[in-house]
Amino acid sequence: KAGVTQTPRYLIKTRGQQVTLSCSPISGHRSVSWYQQTPGQGLQFLFEYFSETQRNKGNFPGRFSGRQFSNSRSEMNVSTLELGDSALYLCASSLVHNEQFFGPGTRLTVL
Amino acid sequence: DQQVKQNSPSLSVQEGRISILNCDYTNSMFDYFLWYKKYPAEGPTFLISISSIKDKNEDGRFTVFLNKSAKHLSLHIVPSQPGDSAVYFCAASKHGSGNTGKLIFGQGTTLQVKP
Repeated sequence: KAGVTQTPRYLIKTRGQQVTLSCSPISGHRSVSWYQQTPGQGLQFLFEYFSETQRNKGNFPGRFSGRQFSNSRSEMNVSTLELGDSALYLCASSLVHNEQFFGPGTRLTVL
Repeated sequence: DQQVKQNSPSLSVQEGRISILNCDYTNSMFDYFLWYKKYPAEGPTFLISISSIKDKNEDGRFTVFLNKSAKHLSLHIVPSQPGDSAVYFCAASKHGSGNTGKLIFGQGTTLQVKP
């Protein structure tokens, strides 16, 4: 079975721009969660989607948003980028409650 | 408010010996715990998990122990191999409609296994 895939793997943007990241879960997994990893804050939960509905949300500003499509693929969007948004963004999918399988991540650099 | 803590940023062991990675948590509502391994430029890889109704779970060279009264869990790797060198994250979750899909991670421990 193919694992979780994320595109793009690397991205460079400038402050004020917006960005969209994509995640394809493992086939059959309907839950997709997103995390931000930074050296200072570690891995932090952004939000989770299940059957095209956001079920849970972490403590991030409204500039961070996401959606899920009928095929369980998910996207996350960050608007009005700030320097502090530079991070590794990880997507994870799960079948069994909270046994999550992660993709390779998208490394976002904001200049 | 760090609910999951890995107090040792790094650990170095000799190949063939036991590696013990520790994790403490503060929220007694956590009912499921996981360990992940992460290499640079890759996403975390799931290793092993344990439910709060158990105190031990084994999978090959990996064993996780849970001490609920102490709010402490540990991952034992026996025998350690150089390929085990990576960052290890402890994560916790709790059931409930407001907690779906959310893992709380520790800060990670970098394990180095020397040949």
